[in-house]
Amino acid sequence: EAAVTQSPRNKVTVTGGNVTLSCRQTNSHNYMYWYRQDTGHGLRLIHYSYGAGNLQIGDVPDGYKATRTTQEDFFLLLELASPSQTSLYFCASSDWGKDTQYFGPGTRLLVL
Amino acid sequence: QQQVRQSPQSLTVWEGETAILNCSYENSAFDYFPWYQQFPGEGPALLISILSVSDKKEDGRFTIFFNKREKKLSLHIADSQPGDSATYFCAASDTGGLSGKLTFGEGTQVTVIS
Repeated sequence: EAAVTQSPRNKVTVTGGNVTLSCRQTNSHNYMYWYRQDTGHGLRLIHYSYGAGNLQIGDVPDGYKATRTTQEDFFLLLELASPSQTSLYFCASSDWGKDTQYFGPGTRLLVL
Repeated sequence: QQQVRQSPQSLTVWEGETAILNCSYENSAFDYFPWYQQFPGEGPALLISILSVSDKKEDGRFTIFFNKREKKLSLHIADSQPGDSATYFCAASDTGGLSGKLTFGEGTQVTVIS
C-alpha cells in the first residue's frame, strides 16, 4: 500500500512568518499534489508535480510556492503567511496522472 | 466557482438504512468520478470510482449511479453501518489530460446511528 507521510502534523506561526510543509512518498510515484481542505470548500489543489524538478500550478496557488527536490519529496512553502492560509493541508501521490491518489495524514496549520 | 457540488452537507441515517449522497458537476469534459472517504484525523482514501461510459458501479454495499445527460451522480451506501460514519467527497477529472487533477466537491458528512 502507498505510504505518504507529512511533517509537521501541526504548526502554529504568526502573520508574515515563513512555513515549510514537507511530504514524502515511498512508492516511487511520479505525481505528487498539495491540497488544502476547508469547510465548505472540500479539497482544493494548490500545486502539483510530475517528477523531480517539475512544478505545475493548481487552482489556488496564490501565496504558495512548492518545490519537488526528488521523486520522493515535495515541499510547500508559505513565505509570508497570512491568517487566510490557516487550513488543513494534504499531500497526495499517484503513480501516473490517471491513477488513484494516495493521501498523507495532513498538516494542520494555524496562522495567528 | 464550485465545479463539483455535493448535497446534502450532512446526513444522519439509522443503522441498516440506505444513505444517498448526491453530486453534480458543470464541466462536460469530466469523465472520471472517484468518491473518497475520510475519517476524522486521516487523509481521504479512494472508496469507489466510475467512468462516464458506465451508468452504474457496485462494490459491496457501495453503488454509484451516474447520469451523464444531467451531469449528476449519486453514491448509495446500503445497509449502513456505524463504521461508515465519515465524510465523503465526490471528485471529478478529465482523463484526456495527463495531470490527474481532481476537482473535489464540498463533502457530505455521514453519521450512522445504531
